Amino acid sequence: GAVVSQHPSWVICKSGTSVKIECRSLDFQATTMFWYRQFPKQSLMLMATSNEGSKATYEQGVEKDKFLINHASLTLSTLTVTSAHPEDSSFYICSARTSGSTQRGTDTQYFGPGTRLTVL
Amino acid sequence: QKEVEQDPGPLSVPEGAIVSLNCTYSNSAFQYFMWYRQYSRKGPELLMYTYSSGNKEDGRFTAQVDKSSKYISLFIRDSQPSDSATYLCAMSYNAGNMLTFGGGTRLMVKP
Repeated sequence: GAVVSQHPSWVICKSGTSVKIECRSLDFQATTMFWYRQFPKQSLMLMATSNEGSKATYEQGVEKDKFLINHASLTLSTLTVTSAHPEDSSFYICSARTSGSTQRGTDTQYFGPGTRLTVL
Repeated sequence: QKEVEQDPGPLSVPEGAIVSLNCTYSNSAFQYFMWYRQYSRKGPELLMYTYSSGNKEDGRFTAQVDKSSKYISLFIRDSQPSDSATYLCAMSYNAGNMLTFGGGTRLMVKP
């Protein structure tokens, strides 16, 4: 239980294009999803918190107009990197918060497998 | 000073060894403590979840939380090469909410 998927797993795009990444909770409903970015050999940095049906809350220093987040349903959140540039190349990981007990714990975050974005 | 400190390693041990991974933190308001395992180019996988102080055991893994010392540990018994990964500690004030991560410790278990 508590499986989170991401699509695509990797994407290569040209500078200036927009890229959409999907995050889905497959076997539970997630009222809250989180988006992280991870650079090589570094830990996860929280970008934004997304609640179903409301606007995302962005962390300081994260441009909300560049990283568009939509949480349209209890099982799907999307992150769109608009006008991507090479410095946006990173590993983007989403997590979904469970609202009840799972095998591992109660009300905690489960992570997707990540999406590697390379902007040429 | 970071809120959560974790030795980046790498930590190299022989197969079968007992591994001890640790994190220290500065904010006494943290109540929930987690350990995640992350293989290269993969998302973190939740290993252990602990509320407040105490020990929790799951198979070869044991998590310990000492809130008085602001110190948490993960022990891995009978380590295997497949345990080679980066281990991230994380903690939060409220269940399921914003996680604060340590920097991760890279573990290498050699056959």
